[in-house]
Amino acid sequence: GESVGLHLPTLSVQEGDNSIINCAYSNSASDYFIWYKQESGKGPQFIIDIRSNMDKRQGQRVTVLLNKTVKHLSLQIAATQPGDSAVYFCAEIQNYGGSQGNLIFGKGTKLSVKP
Amino acid sequence: DTEVTQTPKHLVMGMTNKKSLKCEQHMGHRAMYWYKQKAKKPPELMFVYSYEKLSINESVPSRFSPECPNSSLLNLHLHALQPEDSALYLCASSQGGGSSAYTQYFGPGTRLTVL
Repeated sequence: GESVGLHLPTLSVQEGDNSIINCAYSNSASDYFIWYKQESGKGPQFIIDIRSNMDKRQGQRVTVLLNKTVKHLSLQIAATQPGDSAVYFCAEIQNYGGSQGNLIFGKGTKLSVKP
Repeated sequence: DTEVTQTPKHLVMGMTNKKSLKCEQHMGHRAMYWYKQKAKKPPELMFVYSYEKLSINESVPSRFSPECPNSSLLNLHLHALQPEDSALYLCASSQGGGSSAYTQYFGPGTRLTVL
């Protein structure tokens, strides 16, 4: 079954506000997490990743926080813009060995930015 | 360059047709993937190729036949599809080896409609 899920299926924010998208995972052995952004009619776009030995990682206007104690992941978007409107997926890597890792997606959160 | 290209962008086919989806990457990645994505759902893994060999088949019906002619190309051959196979078909690639090298980069997808 799915081991990664999201608390909120939809999120509506005002332009300029900060957005927080949450994700829960159940496999404590997962060692790598990724956030993807998917705009309508497009493929998922890599945003930011974090290893399990880190608590926080920052990118341009985005921050990912990892709380391994409660198995929780969040994506923070600063000064949200209309172009941030999309569905956001968290995903975890479960390393089954070999040259590739199995990517497990969460259900997704739709972010709508109001002008 | 993290570009994965897919052709065609859109495909409409009848249940008796034979068609192929194509995917290409020039990032030197050694793992390539096919996903199926239905509306408002996360991508579902179909096949994984590692070093040009099929390593994962997620119990996909035989009417879907993958092929990896070389390390840069991935095809998905379609035959005798059903209307419920209509979906967005996504290709992805990753470096392979070590957790962060598993980050998958997605193409824009092929929107398939089966009549």
